[in-house]
Amino acid sequence: DTEVTQTPKHLVMGMTNKKSLKCEQHMGHRAMYWYKQKAKKPPELMFVYSYEKLSINESVPSRFSPECPNSSLLNLHLHALQPEDSALYLCASSQISSGRVNNEQFFGPGTRLTVL
Amino acid sequence: ILNVEQSPQSLHVQEGDSTNFTCSFPSSNFYALHWYRWETAKSPEALFVMTLNGDEKKKGRISATLNTKEGYSYLYIKGSQPEDSATYLCAFIGSQGGSEKLVFGKGTKLTVNP
Repeated sequence: DTEVTQTPKHLVMGMTNKKSLKCEQHMGHRAMYWYKQKAKKPPELMFVYSYEKLSINESVPSRFSPECPNSSLLNLHLHALQPEDSALYLCASSQISSGRVNNEQFFGPGTRLTVL
Repeated sequence: ILNVEQSPQSLHVQEGDSTNFTCSFPSSNFYALHWYRWETAKSPEALFVMTLNGDEKKKGRISATLNTKEGYSYLYIKGSQPEDSATYLCAFIGSQGGSEKLVFGKGTKLTVNP
């Protein structure tokens, strides 16, 4: 299995809602990533988990809360989002070499989030 | 702020033309440079992972070179085909202030006309 899957594909939520995005991979990768992508712009890194521990947090607001319950799953919990948080949220995974996240990443199809 | 620049922003070529574009990145605290191919409505797909100065990698008609001392990488496409039309992203992995960083460039959008 060489796929990264993400659910849901689309999500519409109000500013007071609480929702979660899910990402799963079964390639044995020990690094998993969350990216935010606005239209026609490159992905912006949000979080990296290495060996199920948060290793990079790019100063993301606390209304985004990542969770890595095991080596195959990565969640992104959303609460009190703003309309400007509407974007495509991409998950990716990779192997880890020498403790670094140097290796090629495999991306999921993304969740298209709309905040009303 | 880590600066990863790609040029040109967009490129139109005719089928059969060869082309190349550039990714510039910080020359210090370098770990790796990735190239990804990104088609509209699809996820980015890895092309190359380059870690050593002077690295040259090839996959079919696409190849890449790396110069970490001066902070640039070139991606070459020989004999472009319409199916090569995509945005090509580079990603710099390095460190800043003791923390690992991963930054994508804005991409070069390639259109190959039949």
